[in-house]
Amino acid sequence: KQEVTQIPAALSVPEGENLVLNCSFTDSAIYNLQWFRQDPGKGLTSLLLIQSSQREQTSGRLNASLDKSSGRSTLYIAASQPGDSATYLCAVGPRNAGNMLTFGGGTRLMVKP
Amino acid sequence: NAGVTQTPKFRILKIGQSMTLQCAQDMNHNYMYWYRQDPGMGLKLIYYSVGAGITDKGEVPNGYNVSRSTTEDFPLRLELAAPSQTSVYFCASSRDYNEKLFFGSGTQLSVL
Repeated sequence: KQEVTQIPAALSVPEGENLVLNCSFTDSAIYNLQWFRQDPGKGLTSLLLIQSSQREQTSGRLNASLDKSSGRSTLYIAASQPGDSATYLCAVGPRNAGNMLTFGGGTRLMVKP
Repeated sequence: NAGVTQTPKFRILKIGQSMTLQCAQDMNHNYMYWYRQDPGMGLKLIYYSVGAGITDKGEVPNGYNVSRSTTEDFPLRLELAAPSQTSVYFCASSRDYNEKLFFGSGTQLSVL
């Protein structure tokens, strides 16, 4: 059974800092990996989707990497801003059903002005 | 562009009551999903649908039922509510199985 872990559970950084969020998964037979942002009381917003054949995806100040062999993904946020404060979740899709995602527990990020 | 719309936003049920959570999307997506999120945890898949008339169980389907009579709507039915069903429920959709998910804003359900 796939298990997805995100460490740390919470992170506080000063504004302007570059930061990395970590995601690890136990079964490397994945079809894709998505990073989501969740604001309090809101739904999830998909930030980046990486196919299993890709190594990274970029969108603005966000860069997500994928290393299937080691079962790891990272989300890099450049020049963090207070508006980046949210919970970030990663989710992996299995090879036989790409969008039946298994989610990690999330990292709660606070960026202090 | 409404995206994925869920109703109600909040609901309190007594043990043994039943209710239906509504979900509608206006993006003509084939795939729709129901997830639940318990405090401090990730999301778990309850049911999903790959098109009108086709549904299948996810990881935690017990105590729930779904139907998909149209492309737009994917209601989730709770029968005989139990305290273990206290959670936040999210509906999501995607155009295809390997594309980004779009989420509704969630329904916070308490069973007392």
